[in-house]
Parts: sequence; C-alpha cells; structure tokens
Amino acid sequence: GIQVEQSPPDLILQEGANSTLRCNFSDSVNNLQWFHQNPWGQLINLFYIPSGTKQNGRLSATTVATERYSLLYISSSQTTDSGVYFCAVTNYGQNFVFGPGTRLSVLP
Amino acid sequence: DTAVSQTPKYLVTQMGNDKSIKCEQNLGHDTMYWYKQDSKKFLKIMFSYNNKELIINETVPNRFSPKSPDKAHLNLHINSLELGDSAVYFCASSQKGGLRDEQFFGPGTRLTVL
Repeated sequence: GIQVEQSPPDLILQEGANSTLRCNFSDSVNNLQWFHQNPWGQLINLFYIPSGTKQNGRLSATTVATERYSLLYISSSQTTDSGVYFCAVTNYGQNFVFGPGTRLSVLP
Repeated sequence: DTAVSQTPKYLVTQMGNDKSIKCEQNLGHDTMYWYKQDSKKFLKIMFSYNNKELIINETVPNRFSPKSPDKAHLNLHINSLELGDSAVYFCASSQKGGLRDEQFFGPGTRLTVL
C-alpha cells in the first residue's frame, strides 16, 4: 500500500518564527489533506489540497502531486499552533492513509 | 451548536464486554467516518458511510460493527473488547463522499479496556 512520511518528526520554535512541514508519499494520489491535532486532542481539517497552493491566514499549503510531496507553511507561529500536524492521502479511493505526524511546540 | 458530537467522551470497561459509541452530526452532511487513534498517535480510518450505506471498510476485526440508522448518525458497536482496542475513536463527517473534501471531527471517545 501507499506509504506516507512526514518530516521533521518534532519541531520546536519560538513564537513568531516560520516553519515548513513536509509530507512525502510513495504513489499517485487524488486527495491530500492536512490536519492539526491540538494538545487537547481536537482534530481540525486545515486544507484539502490534492494539487496546487492554498492559503488560509498564516497557514498555506502546496502540493506537487507529480513529485509526490506536499508542504505546509506556518508563518509567525503562535503558541496555539502547537500540536501534531498530520497529512493524509487517498490513493484513488483504495486507501486513506495518514502520515505519522509532525509534533510542533511553539514556545512563548 | 456542536457540529459533530460523540458520546461518551470516556469509556472504561473490562475485557470481553460489548460497548457502543454514538456519533451525531447536525451539518447535513452525506458522509460519516470512524477513525482510530492508537497510543502512538497513529490515525487510521476504519469505516465510511455515505447516506447510510457502507463505502469504506478497512481491515478491521469483525468485532467492530458500524450502524447508521440515518445519515446524521453513525454508531460504532464493539463486541468482546480486547486490550488492543484501547484507543481514541474519532467520528467525522463531510459533505461529499470518497474522502474528497473537508472533514469535521468530533471530540473523540477515549476507550480504555482493562
């Protein structure tokens, strides 16, 4: 089945810093989503982005499907950005696979 | 108003018991999902229902049986609970099916099997 990797596994930032999270996948996909799980366990869908670039406030994401990766950019990070960021891909309806996540800690 | 709600929030039970987790969404979505998150935070989709019809059924023991009485509800029944079933179970919903759009998640149910 399709493999999904995320890097880095852990990231510690000072408030105000920018960061880039990466998601690599091993096969063609027709759907890719980014999620944020906050320290209280709540899961939030950030982006549905099978290709191209989207922006939502301080967050933006880019997926280059032909090269099998996606990037999540966080600018001017805040402590509320802390948590685990997951990407998940769908392989033409056959699988919906999550990556292992990137744990982000933003320090005040 | 809570968009996707789950009950109970916490569930502690003995091995061998049967338990159910309920999920309701008031978003008018057509598709609902169940996910399992293990102790290492690894997330895995279990089931997907579209308009009360089972769409996705990943490799899950048949002790797990989803039931959708209507498109606003997707309950998860688990028979003969085992220690390895301990996890957080998330319900989610989306407007479209096929994992093609934004999903809204419930708060999760933390199941502990003793």
